[in-house]
Order: sequence, then structure tokens, then C-alpha cells
Amino acid sequence: GQQLNQSPQSMFIQEGEDVSMNCTSSSIFNTWLWYKQDPGEGPVLLIALYKAGELTSNGRLTAQFGTTRKDSFLNISASIPSDVGIYFCAGHQGETSGSRLTFGEGTQLTVNP
Amino acid sequence: EAGVVQSPRYKIIEKKQPVAFWCNPISGHNTLYWYLQNLGQGPELLIRYENEEAVDDSQLPKDRFSAERLKGVDSTLKIQPAELGDSAVYLCASSSGGLYNEQFFGPGTRLTVL
Repeated sequence: GQQLNQSPQSMFIQEGEDVSMNCTSSSIFNTWLWYKQDPGEGPVLLIALYKAGELTSNGRLTAQFGTTRKDSFLNISASIPSDVGIYFCAGHQGETSGSRLTFGEGTQLTVNP
Repeated sequence: EAGVVQSPRYKIIEKKQPVAFWCNPISGHNTLYWYLQNLGQGPELLIRYENEEAVDDSQLPKDRFSAERLKGVDSTLKIQPAELGDSAVYLCASSSGGLYNEQFFGPGTRLTVL
């Protein structure tokens, strides 16, 4: 079963608001990744984090790799309608090439214009 | 450059029938993954191929599921016989070699078992 706890499960916000979601685990992860999935499509990578404490931005998105290596958060600033979708955190626990990627259960984001 | 291609996009079958899904990865990607995504859940790995070799199939229910990647390029995932609980989206992903290499996902096949 999955080992990543993602919260909140869903969010309803107004256009222009900032959004924050997070992911926690009882186990240590060596990478943290954030994906977005639109209806009828596969997940698309937004941000990848490889070092504890790392803070990385991609446009209006900012994500951090927690210092304990057991959590990560994703912030979206000034949300727009096209931010609607399901956001998944994911991570690798192993340190070898191709180690299994574990996904959280997702946060459904709805943005009202 | 074309992304990961999957077919069919949708499939509706009756229980106990066989079904097969096809995936063509991004050109040059030697690693191919099949994931299962239940409604309201994140993807879960079924099997990972490095070229034509299945290197991680511990999550594949081998009593009814099988997969192949004979020439190390495209792949087929089969379920025989299908059960009601197999209704889900089956995602294929591919990546190039390297540590923590990015996985590119296809659009998935949505399977409904009646």
C-alpha cells in the first residue's frame, strides 16, 4: 500500500488566492516529486527535489524538501483557472537507479473564476 | 517529439473476458513502467522493464495479469480473466537511464469491467 499521506484531499479556492498542500510519511524519502494530473491524462512532473531542505520554484509553484526527509510541501501563488486538477506528491525511498516511485493519494484543486 | 502512446483509451468488457493494453514509450527510453490507478488514488506500480527484462514485477498479480516487452520497445499488459475490481486506469510511463530519471506518463487506458 501507499506510504505517503497527502493533505488536504480537496481544496476550493477563488482565482488569485495562494494554495498550499503537503505530503508526509513515516519513512525517509530520498527524492520528493510533485505531479499534476488533468482529467483523462497522465500525471505531469511539476517539480523535483533531491536534497533535504531544498527549496525549488517553477513559475508560480514553489516546493520544499523537508529537513527530516519525511515531508514536502507545494505552494501555488496567485492561482488561475488552469491550475484546476489533481496534484500528487511522490518520492523514491531507494538510492539506486529505478527505485520504485511511491505516490500520495492526491489533492483535488478547484479554482473558481 | 511524440509522447508515450497508449491504446485503447477506453475499454468496456464483461467480467471473465480477457483484455489487453498497448504502450509505445518515448523513442530511446529504455525503461518502461505499467501503473494501476484506482479512482481517487495515486498510481501504483505494477511492473517495470529495463529494455526487455522485467526487473520489478513484485506488485503484478501474476495469477491473472501478464506483461511483455519482447523487443525492448513497445509493451502489452494483459488481464485474463478480468474481474469487477480491475476497473481502473492503467497508465504506462517511460524514462531514459539514470538515477531518479524523470518518468513521462501516457494518457492511460480506462478499463470498465461489467
